[in-house]
Amino acid sequence: GIQVEQSPPDLILQEGANSTLRCNFSDSVNNLQWFHQNPWGQLINLFYIPSGTKQNGRLSATTVATERYSLLYISSSQTTDSGVYFCAALMQGAQKLVFGQGTRLTINP
Amino acid sequence: DVKVTQSSRYLVKRTGEKVFLECVQDMDHENMFWYRQDPGLGLRLIYFSYDVKMKEKGDIPEGYSVSREKKERFSLILESASTNQTSMYLCASGSAGGWRAFFGQGTRLTVV
Repeated sequence: GIQVEQSPPDLILQEGANSTLRCNFSDSVNNLQWFHQNPWGQLINLFYIPSGTKQNGRLSATTVATERYSLLYISSSQTTDSGVYFCAALMQGAQKLVFGQGTRLTINP
Repeated sequence: DVKVTQSSRYLVKRTGEKVFLECVQDMDHENMFWYRQDPGLGLRLIYFSYDVKMKEKGDIPEGYSVSREKKERFSLILESASTNQTSMYLCASGSAGGWRAFFGQGTRLTVV
């Protein structure tokens, strides 16, 4: 099945810094999503982005499907951005999302 | 906004008990999923359902069963709870075709 790999596994930054999180996937996908898991454990859907670029406030995401990767950008980081970020991919014809192992982001004040 | 609600935030059960975890979504989504999350192992799919009364095994179905009698509700059943089923359980839903997954708040289950 499809493999999803995220990097880096851990990222520690100061408040105000920018960050880039990467998601590589091993096969063609028609569904790529980014999630943020908050300190209470809930996964919040940030983006549905099978291709192209989307922006939502300080967050933006880009997926280059032909090269099998997606990037999540966080600008002007705040302490509330801390948590684990997951990407998840779905192959064409499949019905289940495959998750990466996540990137743990820590924003220090 | 989509709302996915899991019946309990925290649950403590004894070994051998039958445990029911309930999940309800309010967006008429066809697809519903149960994952468990463990440190170092990420999110693993237990079961999913793409329609009422339909179910498919995920990656780790052993020791679990599911029920979907109504479109909005998807139940995960631990037939005889064991300590290795202590975990965070996450329910998700999504519409058919090009769907986004929306998660509930999670249930931290401890089996003692």
